[in-house]
Amino acid sequence: NAGVTQTPKFRVLKTGQSMTLLCAQDMNHEYMYWYRQDPGMGLRLIHYSVGEGTTAKGEVPDGYNVSRLKKQNFLLGLESAAPSQTSVYFCAGRTSGSYEQYFGPGTRLTVT
Amino acid sequence: DAKTTQPNSMESNEEEPVHLPCNHSTISGTDYIHWYRQLPSQGPEYVIHGLTSNVNNRMASLAIAEDRKSSTLILHRATLRDAAVYYCILAGSGSRLTFGEGTQLTVNP
Repeated sequence: NAGVTQTPKFRVLKTGQSMTLLCAQDMNHEYMYWYRQDPGMGLRLIHYSVGEGTTAKGEVPDGYNVSRLKKQNFLLGLESAAPSQTSVYFCAGRTSGSYEQYFGPGTRLTVT
Repeated sequence: DAKTTQPNSMESNEEEPVHLPCNHSTISGTDYIHWYRQLPSQGPEYVIHGLTSNVNNRMASLAIAEDRKSSTLILHRATLRDAAVYYCILAGSGSRLTFGEGTQLTVNP
């Protein structure tokens, strides 16, 4: 099993460009999450999903959109990137009834 | 969500036990205590969680105070691989996790 994977691993964007980060899991997670982590800080929740076709806002949702069209995939979109969105992005998943979140390896995004 | 307080950093020697403290004086009756750790350049990794009773698993032990206002993560024999940031998080059943800044553990050879 691949677990939780993220694509791409690194990306550099110019201000105003758009991109989509892909999170894929083969662990049958109902719940999926997108976090961002800035240097020296803990993770902050951007958006999450409690099942296929559902999404909800987290702590810092502005500037991001998400979609969960298939249970195994959770996409994070940046429509118009800003330097403040330079960060490391982590995806995580969890099965219903379990307390354990499984995290992906992260995507390092730089916006210039 | 109730807040937790952890020391910014701690040091240990290899093969010695490590006790990582966490204060959570405003914990509610339904809050679980979760511990995650983050190794350098990796995503966080689940360590252990508990509600009221002490818990043990293959990675660590969790000791919870009787009044639940504090807890301690115990690594029984630290290895160099245990050097990481350790996060103590309170969350209700099924609730989202809120990460603080955690404790940076350094393990000396």
